[in-house]
Amino acid sequence: AQSVTQPDIHITVSEGASLELRCNYSYGATPYLFWYVQSPGQGLQLLLKYFSGDTLVQGIKGFEAEFKRSQSSFNLRKPSVHWSDAAEYFCAVGVDQGAQKLVFGQGTRLTINP
Amino acid sequence: GAVVSQHPSWVICKSGTSVKIECRSLDFQATTMFWYRQFPKQSLMLMATSNEGSKATYEQGVEKDKFLINHASLTLSTLTVTSAHPEDSSFYICSARGQRQPQHFGDGTRLSIL
Repeated sequence: AQSVTQPDIHITVSEGASLELRCNYSYGATPYLFWYVQSPGQGLQLLLKYFSGDTLVQGIKGFEAEFKRSQSSFNLRKPSVHWSDAAEYFCAVGVDQGAQKLVFGQGTRLTINP
Repeated sequence: GAVVSQHPSWVICKSGTSVKIECRSLDFQATTMFWYRQFPKQSLMLMATSNEGSKATYEQGVEKDKFLINHASLTLSTLTVTSAHPEDSSFYICSARGQRQPQHFGDGTRLSIL
């Protein structure tokens, strides 16, 4: 069955430090991969997506993610975090043709220290 | 960018009443809409998928008669929680996608049943 694992439930980094959030997926075919961010009490905002092509994907707010098929990973990175990046981050895989249905990981809560 | 509006953002009602939540795509035609449920500090659980003009497809374990979904137009889907009880209290999030587009999420509805 398709699944997404985010190994880190909670990460704390200092403002200005670099960030990497891990995501591993289990899916038989070529995956459609997404990262979403959720602020408290709100819906999800799409940060970036990978469908095909270049394995390094640029997103909004200075985020990027790299698809590594050999490791079944799609880690999210940002070179320098800002206090406003504190939120919950969800990795997701589209599990049917056209990525209609999404399976989400458990989420990683990011806390930023001043 | 694509905007999805969800209304209301917060509703409190008595046990036994029915509650309707609206999800609208404001600047695109949503061929498919999705309804998710999110428990505190947990990931999103897909409840159902609805395509305009057809019956919704419910995920396993989701009661069709409890959670009525209508997708009457390309810009509006509604979720009605019928005869709501305290265990139905949750955060409900809708998302919408057009042709060849990723899902865009509403800001969610916090439902509290007393």
